[in-house]
Amino acid sequence: ETGVTQSPTHLIKTRGQQVTLRCSSQSGHNTVSWYQQALGQGPQFIFQYYREEENGRGNFPPRFSGLQFPNYSSELNVNALELDDSALYLCASSLPGLGSYEQYFGPGTRLTVT
Amino acid sequence: QQQVKQSPQSLIVQKGGISIINCAYENTAFDYFPWYQQFPGKGPALLIAIRPDVSEKKEGRFTISFNKSAKQFSLHIMDSQPGDSATYFCAARGNTGTASKLTFGTGTRLQVTL
Repeated sequence: ETGVTQSPTHLIKTRGQQVTLRCSSQSGHNTVSWYQQALGQGPQFIFQYYREEENGRGNFPPRFSGLQFPNYSSELNVNALELDDSALYLCASSLPGLGSYEQYFGPGTRLTVT
Repeated sequence: QQQVKQSPQSLIVQKGGISIINCAYENTAFDYFPWYQQFPGKGPALLIAIRPDVSEKKEGRFTISFNKSAKQFSLHIMDSQPGDSATYFCAARGNTGTASKLTFGTGTRLQVTL
């Protein structure tokens, strides 16, 4: 059973640019959540995807968007990058349904915006 | 609005000692309380979790104590080892839309000395 994988590991972008981050969920998990972890802070929920649709969003602006594909993998897109977007972006996968609560995180993508 | 408060911010414990990390929450709709362990450069790893109908859960050297009336829960690491040195995050699960969202504390950096 493979765990959650993310790519790339590190990324450096310039303010105003756009970035796409990728995530492959753990085998059998069809729900993917994205979190932003600023340095020295706990992860903050961005949004969650289930059945290729966004089913919940945290307090992040619309320039943060995502996709989920039929194989359950997912992308996080951030437009018009700002310096404050520099963070570790984490993807977590889980099983769907009210009875399943565990979320398993990938290693993250470290994004630096200069 | 921070809904999960975690303390202490940092903790130094001697090898073999007991590490205790505390968290308090505000939202009574939270229904699942996991603890994550994070090493530098890695994603958070699920350590142990509890539901609010249980007052204590033990897995190996790790124990969660849960006080529903006080809206507090804590992680106890018995016989702490240098390999336990990491940042620990408490979290609480709630819903946003139909999404299952984790709200994290700010983390506790644990150092276990020889």
